[in-house]
Amino acid sequence: GQNIDQPTEMTATEGAIVQINCTYQTSGFNGLFWYQQHAGEAPTFLSYNVLDGLEEKGRFSSFLSRSKGYSYLLLKELQMKDSASYLCAVRPKRAGGYNKLIFGAGTRLAVHP
Amino acid sequence: NAGVTQTPKFQVLKTGQSMTLQCAQDMNHEYMSWYRQDPGMGLRLIHYSVGAGITDQGEVPNGYNVSRSTTEDFPLRLLSAAPSQTSVYFCASSQDRDQPQHFGDGTRLSIL
Repeated sequence: GQNIDQPTEMTATEGAIVQINCTYQTSGFNGLFWYQQHAGEAPTFLSYNVLDGLEEKGRFSSFLSRSKGYSYLLLKELQMKDSASYLCAVRPKRAGGYNKLIFGAGTRLAVHP
Repeated sequence: NAGVTQTPKFQVLKTGQSMTLQCAQDMNHEYMSWYRQDPGMGLRLIHYSVGAGITDQGEVPNGYNVSRSTTEDFPLRLLSAAPSQTSVYFCASSQDRDQPQHFGDGTRLSIL
């Protein structure tokens, strides 16, 4: 079966660094996405990893290890506006050529002053 | 640039009623999808389309129909609403299968 695990909730302090982990077990692998979703809003794209290693984009970085079925999202210099849910989504082995993403349940991050 | 537009934003239905959730995108994307999001669960794929005239089922298709007569529009139909279909519904589109998806603002649907 397909399974994606993320912690349900995390808290952190403004200005700090937080790491949100995602582990997955899927039938093959063709990429991993991270999305941010503020309460009551639509998910928005943060990052995409298809090869092992670290992808850096401003305050946000995402890491992938395909052999371990593991990814993390690293948020630096936390701001209050970073309080949101972070969704990990995996694209399993291509079936019919379509990007059928499988989403984890999301990690709700609360940033405190 | 409007992106992905969903209507209505909120809807309350009675059990057994039918309705159509509208989704339109102005980015000329070929790929479109419908998801539902329930508390404690990830986004689950209902139906998707890889181009006009082509649709297929996702993880949780029962009770829903879709059609794709144009590139821009991808409506989702609830045939006979049930309380289990109370959820937030998101429509998404992408340029191709390797690109990130752009989501609409969602439709919050309650079935009484």
